[in-house]
Amino acid sequence: GIQVEQSPPDLILQEGANSTLRCNFSDSVNNLQWFHQNPWGQLINLFYIPSGTKQNGRLSATTVATERYSLLYISSSQTTDSGVYFCASGSRLTFGEGTQLTVNP
Amino acid sequence: DTEVTQTPKHLVMGMTNKKSLKCEQHMGHRAMYWYKQKAKKPPELMFVYSYEKLSINESVPSRFSPECPNSSLLNLHLHALQPEDSALYLCASSRATDTQYFGPGTRLTVL
Repeated sequence: GIQVEQSPPDLILQEGANSTLRCNFSDSVNNLQWFHQNPWGQLINLFYIPSGTKQNGRLSATTVATERYSLLYISSSQTTDSGVYFCASGSRLTFGEGTQLTVNP
Repeated sequence: DTEVTQTPKHLVMGMTNKKSLKCEQHMGHRAMYWYKQKAKKPPELMFVYSYEKLSINESVPSRFSPECPNSSLLNLHLHALQPEDSALYLCASSRATDTQYFGPGTRLTVL
């Protein structure tokens, strides 16, 4: 099956900083999603982005399908951005191991 | 409305108990999913229902029994579970193979 790798595994930021999270996938896909899991376990869909670029407020994402990677950008981070960020891909939605983001005040 | 609801939020059960998890969506989605998530790990797919028929079973032990009574409801029946089955169980739905919307999950503890 498809392999999904995320980096970095952990990221600690000061409030207001910007960050880039990366997701590499092993095969061409027509399904790439980014999620944020809050400390209570709720998975929130951020982007469905099999290709191209999308923006939603302080978050944006870019997927380059031909090179098999996707990037999630977080600008002006806030403490409420803390949690685990997952990318997931493939028809059976294989998740990466996630990036644990901590934003300190 | 992009909400998927799950009940109960928490469940504690013994190894001889029978219990059920419930998931509901009213977005008209025709695909529904069960995932299992252990602590500090990503969600893992268990079952997929498409148009109320089981389309994917990821080699899940028979002590987990899914059921899709109608297009809005998905149940997961639990029987004779083991302590290692303790996890967060997540339900999701989607129109097709696109954006999946997740419920808040049920935290299951098996004693």
